[in-house]
Amino acid sequence: QVQLQESGPGLVKPSVTLSLTCTVSGGSISRYYWSWIRQPPGKRLEWIGYVYYSGSTNYNPSLQSRVTISVDTSKNQFSLKLSSVTAADTAVYYCARVHYYYDGSGYFDYWGQGTLVTVSS
Amino acid sequence: EIVLTQSPGTLSLSPGERATLSCRASQTVSSSSLAWYQQKPGQAPRLLIYGASSRATGIPDRFSGSGSGTDFTLTISRLEPEDFAVYYCQQYGSSPWTFGQGTKVEIK
Repeated sequence: QVQLQESGPGLVKPSVTLSLTCTVSGGSISRYYWSWIRQPPGKRLEWIGYVYYSGSTNYNPSLQSRVTISVDTSKNQFSLKLSSVTAADTAVYYCARVHYYYDGSGYFDYWGQGTLVTVSS
Repeated sequence: EIVLTQSPGTLSLSPGERATLSCRASQTVSSSSLAWYQQKPGQAPRLLIYGASSRATGIPDRFSGSGSGTDFTLTISRLEPEDFAVYYCQQYGSSPWTFGQGTKVEIK
């Protein structure tokens, strides 16, 4: 059974870069697409972007200028960096595996438990 | 981007009753690329349905999905106590992939 676990600081200051890591266990990170999704308090889920095990990426245009998602196959991990954060970036951040189709579509079949990141001075 | 609107916001029902949840898209969802997820407090979302009507592995057959184009439905035929939760739809046919705002199914 594939399991995902997010890790990283729960509190970050405005204007800095938010960094989170997702560790995948129970299966290899290879040959799959992996994604980050967030949910601000009281708001809907928002897809942030995905990375393929080869390193290729696709981001939500609303966040593209500030987001970097990368993968480390040797550690079975992938990571999220979100720069210049503000209070609007306060959210529960989830990592997930993408069931990807070659037409570019994909849904999320395994999810981490989520981690709350609060942006505040 | 495709905006998904779910209705109703809250559904108050009793165990054993039938639940019908709606998800309407602002544009046609290509290839019926629509999924449904269940989320309970403090837990990660759980995949229920993909491709508008295909049940994910291990999902009971009381859950069913239907629809195409812009209108989709999740039906729970007979509510069990563990089914009271928030349900989200997600379209993945067009980038960026987007989610509905959720429907809460609560015990009446």
